[in-house]
Amino acid sequence: GEDVEQSLFLSVREGDSSVINCTYTDSSSTYLYWYKQEPGAGLQLLTYIFSNMDMKQDQRLTVLLNKKDKHLSLRIADTQTGDSAIYFCAEITWNNAGNMLTFGGGTRLMVKP
Amino acid sequence: DTGVSQNPRHKITKRGQNVTFRCDPISEHNRLYWYRQTLGQGPEFLTYFQNEAQLEKSRLLSDRFSAERPKGSFSTLEIQRTEQGDSAMYLCASSLTETRTTQYFGPGTRLLVL
Repeated sequence: GEDVEQSLFLSVREGDSSVINCTYTDSSSTYLYWYKQEPGAGLQLLTYIFSNMDMKQDQRLTVLLNKKDKHLSLRIADTQTGDSAIYFCAEITWNNAGNMLTFGGGTRLMVKP
Repeated sequence: DTGVSQNPRHKITKRGQNVTFRCDPISEHNRLYWYRQTLGQGPEFLTYFQNEAQLEKSRLLSDRFSAERPKGSFSTLEIQRTEQGDSAMYLCASSLTETRTTQYFGPGTRLLVL
């Protein structure tokens, strides 16, 4: 089956850049997503990238995609304390009936003031 | 802006009881998904609907679980004879169409089985 992997924890200082990494397995994935989850809350869509792109920038967020290595990263510029949360990458997995998301285990980002 | 809503937000029940959760998707989204998230893990797919048709079920969805979407709008997820292992966050998501696949999540229902 599919397996999406992320490092468990990242700690940065306020104002620094954060880079969260993810590896995925399904080479046929058309979209790859980053979601943010704050304590006790649901998942907030941050951004996504289409598989024919190498990079996507959206304000403080930059997504890099290396299809050859099946590696995805999320860079957060000028990280703020409000960015402290768990970040999940997810890939679209297609089956006979349609699509579902396969998530990594999440990276907990801690931002120190 | 009415996003995906879920009720209740929290549910505490005793082992062996039945529970039912409700999800209201973003209006006009014809796809609705249920995921389960246990502590410290990422969400895992349970099932999904296109309109009122349930098209896919994960092997995680035992016969104690049933989901419905009778009119193609809101959905319910029922767990019968709850077990302590059912304790988790149950997340609902919706997406517009097959090609517009981005899924938007609700706040989740946190279930605790005592």
